[in-house]
Amino acid sequence: DVKVTQSSRYLVKRTGEKVFLECVQDMDHENMFWYRQDPGLGLRLIYFSYDVKMKEKGDIPEGYSVSREKKERFSLILESASTNQTSMYLCASATGTALYEQYFGPGTRLTVT
Amino acid sequence: KQEVTQIPAALSVPEGENLVLNCSFTDSAIYNLQWFRQDPGKGLTSLLLIQSSQREQTSGRLNASLDKSSGRSTLYIAASQPGDSATYLCAVSTGGFKTIFGAGTRLFVKA
Repeated sequence: DVKVTQSSRYLVKRTGEKVFLECVQDMDHENMFWYRQDPGLGLRLIYFSYDVKMKEKGDIPEGYSVSREKKERFSLILESASTNQTSMYLCASATGTALYEQYFGPGTRLTVT
Repeated sequence: KQEVTQIPAALSVPEGENLVLNCSFTDSAIYNLQWFRQDPGKGLTSLLLIQSSQREQTSGRLNASLDKSSGRSTLYIAASQPGDSATYLCAVSTGGFKTIFGAGTRLFVKA
């Protein structure tokens, strides 16, 4: 079974802090995704990575950056956390041939105070 | 711009009832459509995937249909059980790396 793990289930940070969210997958997938999920808005894509050190912006990249130094690990970075970044963050991975067949991690609920 | 809408936002039914969840999308040029399940505080699990050339898919008590021309999909759950309580999300793929998700329908099945 594909396993996607996220470093924290719950995280509380203060406004202005630099925040790192980590995601690791164990299936050698080329593609990895970061989404945020807000009530009434569904999942929105923040960033997508199709290979080590390669990335594409999603629909809402502002205020976020990403890092992919190893194939299995994809990090989301909030350079200076703000209260409007309070959300559920979901990571997903997919093979190179079926980008839509995404396997999701359990999510990190981030609260910025 | 592709948009995905799910109605209703929430639904409560007694155990044993058959039910239908609705999904609509604005652009019929889709590659496929998926239905996901999300339990509280957890990630998404894919339930059914319908390719654009297909009309429906079935898995156990679940049946999903796709009508591309009208921009609609339905998820039919037969003989609902309390264990079916979850949020159900619909998502469409246009062939690139973006998958567009609906906001979901929160289902509660009462014992």
